[in-house]
Amino acid sequence: DAGVIQSPRHEVTEMGQEVTLRCKPISGHNSLFWYRQTMMRGLELLIYFNNNVPIDDSGMPEDRFSAKMPNASFSTLKIQPSEPRDSAVYFCASSLYYRGNTGELFFGEGSRLTVL
Amino acid sequence: GESVGLHLPTLSVQEGDNSIINCAYSNSASDYFIWYKQESGKGPQFIIDIRSNMDKRQGQRVTVLLNKTVKHLSLQIAATQPGDSAVYFCAEKSAVGANSKLTFGKGITLSVRP
Repeated sequence: DAGVIQSPRHEVTEMGQEVTLRCKPISGHNSLFWYRQTMMRGLELLIYFNNNVPIDDSGMPEDRFSAKMPNASFSTLKIQPSEPRDSAVYFCASSLYYRGNTGELFFGEGSRLTVL
Repeated sequence: GESVGLHLPTLSVQEGDNSIINCAYSNSASDYFIWYKQESGKGPQFIIDIRSNMDKRQGQRVTVLLNKTVKHLSLQIAATQPGDSAVYFCAEKSAVGANSKLTFGKGITLSVRP
């Protein structure tokens, strides 16, 4: 069974460049989450969508970050312009939420971003 | 315990021994808790969960204990194996019936000595 698929797995870019990270959630899941992981701050929730609609973007660091979910099978996280402090592993996760269900998160393998 | 610095705390155990990983949470409104395991280069993977109306739940070789009075969660791994070496995260969520966000702790590294 295909899990959550993220691309690219690794990205090295220079400060000021635009970065786009991609995610394909598990088919049938209706919630999608973007997390960022660093040693200093651990796993931080950036934004999550329910039925393709952004529900909570309070974790998005600043206006340089944007996320979209144009359909149920695809989401992007964009950083423009990128800065060295954005270097981290970015995880996408999906879940099937319905009332009474715990909505277990299934994570992708992450996109490791290095901004020089 | 939780890490607030650059390095995650590490628990080192002998293969075959039992491991106990502890987590303190701060939100008294949290009513759903999960343990995740993260191996190097991979995303976190669900291990076991527990709702706040329970104080213990058992899985295969793993047990989660919840003490709501002191807001403490622990994960016990029986007969620890080399494959258990990973970073372990506790996570909490309020309102298990709603699609609220999951908040993760900083993580603890489990190192299994052969």
